[in-house]
Order: sequence, then structure tokens, then C-alpha cells
Amino acid sequence: EAQVTQNPRYLITVTGKKLTVTCSQNMNHEYMSWYRQDPGLGLRQIYYSMNVEVTDKGDVPEGYKVSRKEKRNFPLILESPSPNQTSLYFCASSSSTERNGYTFGSGTRLTVV
Amino acid sequence: KNQVEQSPQSLIILEGKNCTLQCNYTVSPFSNLRWYKQDTGRGPVSLTIMTFSENTKSNGRYTATLDADTKQSSLHITASQLSDSASYICVVSAQGGSYIPTFGRGTSLIVHP
Repeated sequence: EAQVTQNPRYLITVTGKKLTVTCSQNMNHEYMSWYRQDPGLGLRQIYYSMNVEVTDKGDVPEGYKVSRKEKRNFPLILESPSPNQTSLYFCASSSSTERNGYTFGSGTRLTVV
Repeated sequence: KNQVEQSPQSLIILEGKNCTLQCNYTVSPFSNLRWYKQDTGRGPVSLTIMTFSENTKSNGRYTATLDADTKQSSLHITASQLSDSASYICVVSAQGGSYIPTFGRGTSLIVHP
């Protein structure tokens, strides 16, 4: 089944403790992206990658890092999480031939206390 | 600046009734527009995609229209069901090399029995 898999689904952590949210897709998509979703603000892009070893900042990149060493994986790294990063996070992917045709993961609900 | 505005912000209707959601955009040059349905806590799922030359497209009880001249789109839901309760997000992509789409903040639809 074609899908984007995020882990974990739920995570509670403490301020300053480094964490990684994994994202993997099995559709050989070139494009991958991370979004956060907060009440009333909609989906906001954190980082995106157009292919292996190519990443770029989205609208809200502060406090986040990403890497794209393999085509299928695009982990989101929070080096020193803070409470304002408490949010619902989504990973998405699409092919270069179908712009805007995103497949989203099921989401990761992160709480930083 | 590219923007996507959706209205209304929220909507409550009775089961079996029809409704129409609106999307106005300023994305230029226009490439395509997608409507996504997002169930609470889940990732968005694509309903329809429309390019510049398309005026209307249906997916079951969902019908999307596009007026590229006025830069407006609508999503009409016919004979609503309880399972239609969700957030509906309008996403617009521009032509060119950028993979960055512009997301609307969504319309929250609640269908009551």
C-alpha cells in the first residue's frame, strides 16, 4: 500500500531533550515536506526537500532540522524542544510530475512540557 | 505575496442538506488547485484537483468549481452525511520550479443528525 509513515504518533517530552520524528514513504517520491498544524493557523510548512541531499526552509523553520540522506526518509529533528513547539506535525510527499498531489502521513502529536 | 483565503471559517449543517465552501486565491502564475478533506487528528486526503482549463470536477457527492478569471473556487457538498464532518482545505500551487504550495486555513464543517 502506498503510504507515508510517521513515528511516533504521540510523544510527550521535556524542554531541551533532543528528539527525532521519523518519516518514510514507499512511493519513490522526489518531494517531501514537514508541516505543523496549530488551531486557527492551518498547516504551515517547516522544511521541504526536492530530492536526496536537497533541503530548504519553509515558513517556520526555527528550532527544527531535517536531513535527506535517502530518498524514502525525511526525519524531523528538534535539537532543543521548547513548549511553543507543542503541535500536530505532518509529513507529506509527492512526485515531481504531480505537483500539489500530496500524500500525508497520519500525524505526530508532540507535547513539550 | 501568495495567499489563499477560505470562507466560512466554520459551518454547521443538518444531515442531508447541501453546502458550499469558498476559496479565493492570489497565487500567480496559477498551476493547480486542490481541495483536501482532513478528519480530526488525521492527515489531509485529496478530494479534487483542478488546472487552469477546468471549470468543474466531481468526486462523488463533492463538486469543485474553478473560475480562473476571478481566482475563486468552491466546493459543493450534496446530501451531506455525518462522515462529511471534517476540515476542508484549499491548496494552490504556482507554476515554476517551486514546490511550495499555499495552504488555506480550512473550513471546519460539522454535520448534525
